[in-house]
Amino acid sequence: NAGVTQTPKFQVLKTGQSMTLQCAQDMNHNSMYWYRQDPGMGLRLIYYSASEGTTDKGEVPNGYNVSRLNKREFSLRLESAAPSQTSVYFCASSEIAREQYFGPGTRLTVT
Amino acid sequence: LAKTTQPISMDSYEGQEVNITCSHNNIATNDYITWYQQFPSQGPRFIIQGYKTKVTNEVASLFIPADRKSSTLSLPRVSLSDTAVYYCLFGGTGFQKLVFGTGTRLLVSP
Repeated sequence: NAGVTQTPKFQVLKTGQSMTLQCAQDMNHNSMYWYRQDPGMGLRLIYYSASEGTTDKGEVPNGYNVSRLNKREFSLRLESAAPSQTSVYFCASSEIAREQYFGPGTRLTVT
Repeated sequence: LAKTTQPISMDSYEGQEVNITCSHNNIATNDYITWYQQFPSQGPRFIIQGYKTKVTNEVASLFIPADRKSSTLSLPRVSLSDTAVYYCLFGGTGFQKLVFGTGTRLLVSP
C-alpha cells in the first residue's frame, strides 16, 4: 500500500517549457488536491478534485491546469513555466477533507 | 476562508511536554479541529482531530475548551524527532478546501 505517489521527485525547467506532474493514490479516496509550498510558507491550494470527473480552482490556480484522469490519478500541468512557479508541489488525497494524505512532493526549479 | 492563529515558533528540550495553542475565533458549529505535522522535505501528515473536550492518540493529545475558539495540541515528552512544523486547521464534515497557515515551527534540542 504505497499511499500517495508523485513523479518526478525533482525537475529543473527553463522559462517557457511545459511539464506535467503526476500523482496517484491507492486508498480509493474520492478527493484529490494539488498544493504548492514556497520556502518558509504554508501550503497553498492550486486545484482540487472533489470527486472523479470534477475539478475546481483553489487559491492560486493561475498558470496551471489539472486533469483527473480516473479515481486514482490527478495530474498538474504547467503550460509555460515561469520562475515564480519555482516551488515544492504536493499532491494529497482524502475521503474526508480535513484528513488528507500527502505525497512526498516534487521539487521544481524554473530558471 | 477559515483562519487560525498560532505562534510562529517554539523551542523545547528533549523529554519536556510541549503545548501549542491555536485560536480559531470564527469556527462554525459543524467544524472539526485538525492538526498536521510536517517534517523537512516531506508532505504534511495528519496527526489528530477533535470536536470538543479532549482527544488522545498515540502521537498527541488535543484539548478543546467549551467555546471551541481555541485548541491546544499537547506533545508529551518530546524527542529530537518531533522537530517539525505543526499546522492547526478547522473544517466541517462535507468537502471543503482546507487552509494551511504558516504553522508553528517546533525545535527540540538535546
